[in-house]
Amino acid sequence: EPEVTQTPSHQVTQMGQEVILRCVPISNHLYFYWYRQILGQKVEFLVSFYNNEISEKSEIFDDQFSVERPDGSNFTLKIRSTKLEDSAMYFCATNRDYEQYFGPGTRLTVT
Amino acid sequence: AQRVTQPEKLLSVFKGAPVELKCNYSYSGSPELFWYVQYSRQRLQLLLRHISRESIKGFTADLNKGETSFHLKKPFAQEEDSAMYYCALGADAGGTSYGKLTFGQGTILTVHP
Repeated sequence: EPEVTQTPSHQVTQMGQEVILRCVPISNHLYFYWYRQILGQKVEFLVSFYNNEISEKSEIFDDQFSVERPDGSNFTLKIRSTKLEDSAMYFCATNRDYEQYFGPGTRLTVT
Repeated sequence: AQRVTQPEKLLSVFKGAPVELKCNYSYSGSPELFWYVQYSRQRLQLLLRHISRESIKGFTADLNKGETSFHLKKPFAQEEDSAMYYCALGADAGGTSYGKLTFGQGTILTVHP
């Protein structure tokens, strides 16, 4: 069964550095999402993406965040200048038939 | 605003006992409710959704709009049911069902032998 994949599984970065988290959606899925989960807290919606543009974003998704689908396969989340509070698990999800399929997540640690 | 509340962070039962994981929601629109499960070291996966009204792995959940609840139930818990369970509310996006999910805090279910 096809699955959403994410790379890397764990990323350690220094405060102020840029990071790019990558997701390969299930092919023929058209809606993509990023969520994050800070340790001990709930899974939070960041952004949804459809037809090569953002369809909805949360208040967490400020100017430091961006998403794109540069090559028609990868779906990326970029954080321009990481802060300590960006440390979290980041999940990519794709949607078909009203079911969101989640990737395994990328654990981002900002030091 | 959308909100999902799972009042129990931890729930422990013995094998064979009934289990109920509570979920309440707040949403002004027409809700779509889901239960996701995350087994140890695995990804989040859909357990069931209220639209399909089906039973998965013996679990059922009924949407009660009057009480704004979507509790997850299983009459006889098994050890392999031990996992983190998340209730989620799906928002409609322009009349579609492709909107964001709002998650509850999650409930860790432990089924003892």
